[in-house]
Amino acid sequence: EIVLTQSPATLSLSPGERATLSCGASQSVSSSYLAWYQQKPGLAPRLLIYDASSRATGIPDRFSGSGSGTDFTLTISRLEPEDFAVYYCQQYGSSPRTFGQGTKVEIK
Amino acid sequence: EVQLVESGGGLVQPGGSLKLSCAASGFTFSGSAMHWVRQASGKGLEWVGRIRSKANSYATAYAASVKGRFTISRDDSKNTAYLQMNSLKTEDTAVYYCTRPRPHSSSSPFDYWGQGTLVTVSS
Repeated sequence: EIVLTQSPATLSLSPGERATLSCGASQSVSSSYLAWYQQKPGLAPRLLIYDASSRATGIPDRFSGSGSGTDFTLTISRLEPEDFAVYYCQQYGSSPRTFGQGTKVEIK
Repeated sequence: EVQLVESGGGLVQPGGSLKLSCAASGFTFSGSAMHWVRQASGKGLEWVGRIRSKANSYATAYAASVKGRFTISRDDSKNTAYLQMNSLKTEDTAVYYCTRPRPHSSSSPFDYWGQGTLVTVSS
């Protein structure tokens, strides 16, 4: 099973700042099958990025993903008020599909 | 518009059983795999299992934590997926989501999620 470790656990930033979230895998993620989700309280997760760097439908271009192998990054170029949430990475290249433990982006 | 609507959650005693349903609409349900993901209160996401389409022999797979206790099935005539949960433990308490993998790819992330249904296992 591939273990995903996200860092930091919490990121305290102000609106307009840049957010950089990391996701490390215990072994190489096949074909960069790595996704990022955003989750707000009481709601289901929302797909942001898939295949490590492709934006899902309707996702603003301030969200970008990069990386390959075992190291992946989600960048939010300029935080908007609605971006404060918890973010999860997920690998779907091997079974079982696994998620990271999440990074909370909170308002400083 | 794609919609996934879970139902069937509730309070159950340890050792008991519960069956969740996921009603799908807005896409070709019969051609899609369906997955279940759960989330304990204040915790992260945990993949529970999946069922593939008829074309893929309705193959199922489960997380180690639920294997042998949970069973996923589907009824394509009703556009509904099910999660039968037996021998429930307190640690199975969570919101359960059904979710669809993004189509047209052999391996894909989840692009649509239901609203979730809460399962509480407690005496």
